[in-house]
Amino acid sequence: AQSVTQLGSHVSVSEGALVLLRCNYSSSVPPYLFWYVQYPNQGLQLLLKYTSAATLVKGINGFEAEFKKSETSFHLTKPSAHMSDAAEYFCAVSGRSGGYNKLIFGAGTRLAVHP
Amino acid sequence: DTEVTQTPKHLVMGMTNKKSLKCEQHMGHRAMYWYKQKAKKPPELMFVYSYEKLSINESVPSRFSPECPNSSLLNLHLHALQPEDSALYLCASSQEGGGRTDRHNEQFFGPGTRLTVL
Repeated sequence: AQSVTQLGSHVSVSEGALVLLRCNYSSSVPPYLFWYVQYPNQGLQLLLKYTSAATLVKGINGFEAEFKKSETSFHLTKPSAHMSDAAEYFCAVSGRSGGYNKLIFGAGTRLAVHP
Repeated sequence: DTEVTQTPKHLVMGMTNKKSLKCEQHMGHRAMYWYKQKAKKPPELMFVYSYEKLSINESVPSRFSPECPNSSLLNLHLHALQPEDSALYLCASSQEGGGRTDRHNEQFFGPGTRLTVL
């Protein structure tokens, strides 16, 4: 069965600093991986997705993630944090369960950006 | 139109009330989902409709009753809820993937309905 682990429930960075949010996955088949962002009192917005086409995936708002099979990781990065990046971030894997495809979410990482 | 809309935004109901949540998408997606999200937690899948048929029911109590009148609409009927059912209810849609398919399409989420049960 597929699963996702997000390391660090809270991450705090200074404005302009590097953002690194960690995600490790477990999957017995080639995974399909996603990063979603959720701003307060809003739904989830897709940041980027990995579907085996390229290991370095660029997303919206300057975010990117690198798929590393040897490390079973799909960490999310952004070179320079902006105040507007403060939100909850979810890593997810698309997995099959009971014959159907489902999104399996990590516990989430809350990103705080301070001046 | 790349949007999933949900109404109402907020809903307060008593334990004896009957209410409905509504979700709509016009992207031609054939899979639609209901999720429940408690504070500081990831979304939990409740139901999946694929081609207007219920594909997945994640052992949700019968006080939640989903309905898919057509490929663009998804409803969640609520009856005799408990205070612990208070949460953000999210609707999502995807091109396919809710059913027995190898496509792992991304899901597009609506803004959610904040439900409070008194």
